[in-house]
Formats: sequence, C-alpha cells, structure tokens
Amino acid sequence: NAGVTQTPKFQVLKTGQSMTLQCAQDMNHEYMSWYRQDPGMGLRLIHYSVGAGITDQGEVPNGYNVSRSTTEDFPLRLLSAAPSQTSVYFCASSYVRESEAFFGQGTRLTVV
Amino acid sequence: ELKVEQNPLFLSMQEGKNYTIYCNYSTTSDRLYWYRQDPGKSLESLFVLLSNGAVKQEGRLMASLDTKARLSTLHITAAVHDLSATYFCAVDSGNQFYFGTGTSLTVIP
Repeated sequence: NAGVTQTPKFQVLKTGQSMTLQCAQDMNHEYMSWYRQDPGMGLRLIHYSVGAGITDQGEVPNGYNVSRSTTEDFPLRLLSAAPSQTSVYFCASSYVRESEAFFGQGTRLTVV
Repeated sequence: ELKVEQNPLFLSMQEGKNYTIYCNYSTTSDRLYWYRQDPGKSLESLFVLLSNGAVKQEGRLMASLDTKARLSTLHITAAVHDLSATYFCAVDSGNQFYFGTGTSLTVIP
C-alpha cells in the first residue's frame, strides 16, 4: 500500500504566487486533514474533511483553501503565498476521525 | 482555545532508565493520541486512547489517559537508543485536533 502520498516534497515560492499541495490516500479513509508544523509550535490543523464533499476549517485556515471531490484526494491550495506560510505541511488520513492517523511524508515550503 | 502542554520539552536519559512524559490539556476531551517523529521524518501513530482510564502498551512504551485530570502520560521503561525521537500528544476536541509542542527525547548509551 502507498498509504498517504504528498507532492511535492520541497517547494520554493515567491510572495504572491499560488500553488497546490497534493495529498492522496489509497486506504479508503473518510477523514483527511492538513497540518502545518513550525519550530517550537507542534502541529496546527489547517483544514479537515470528514468525507467527500465535506470540508471545514481548523485552527489556522487563513490563506488556504481545500476541496474534497473524491475520497482519495484532498489538495491544499495556497491562494497568495506569504513568508509567514513558510513551514512543513503534513497531510493525514484516518478511517474515521477517532481512528489511528496515517501521515504523509511532508512538504517543506519556503516562501521568499 | 484549547491548550495542550507537554513536559518536559527536552529529555535526555540514559539507556536502561525509566521516565514519564506528561501531557496536560485545558478542556474536556476523552480522546487523546500519541505520535512519534524522527528528525526530518513524518509522524507515526503510537497510541489511540478513547476513554477515561484507557491504558495501552507497546514494547517499552505505555500510555494512559485520565480525562478527569485532563492528563495523559507516556511512560518509557528501560529506555534504549532506538527510542530517541520527538513525541507528540494530540487532543481531539470539537472535530479538531490540537497538538502539544512535543518532547524531544535523547537516549544516551
């Protein structure tokens, strides 16, 4: 099983550019989520989805959009990149919210 | 806003010793999770605790949850070098997950 696949692994953006971080899982999990990890702050939830067609905001949603058109895919869009969005981004999935979560390998994003 | 506090933030311990990492949280929840992260890597799920009094053990690690005290512990028994990593707890509240800042554990031979 591939598990949770994130692309790209590394990305450098200029301020104001937009981009999409891809996340796909092949475990038929209903719950998917995006986090950012900053030094000394642990992980913070950006957006989450409890199933196809349903998304909601997490703790730090500003500047990010998500959609969930299929069970497998949960892309994260940065609308207009800012230096404050420099971080490591993780996608995670679980069968349901209460279940064990599986994380992707992460995307290291730098905004200059 | 829910706060999740872990202590210690940094822990250096000798092989063979025992130690406990604490995770306190500020609001009612009966679901708590422990994860491990190796440097530069992703997170790996260790334990899922879904009720008051839940206790789970895997190898040299044992996790427990006291929802009345809003406290979870991760106990390490007879530490070995392979346990060196950062350990995170996360609390499930209101459809969202809140993570602690992590405990960086170094086991010294």
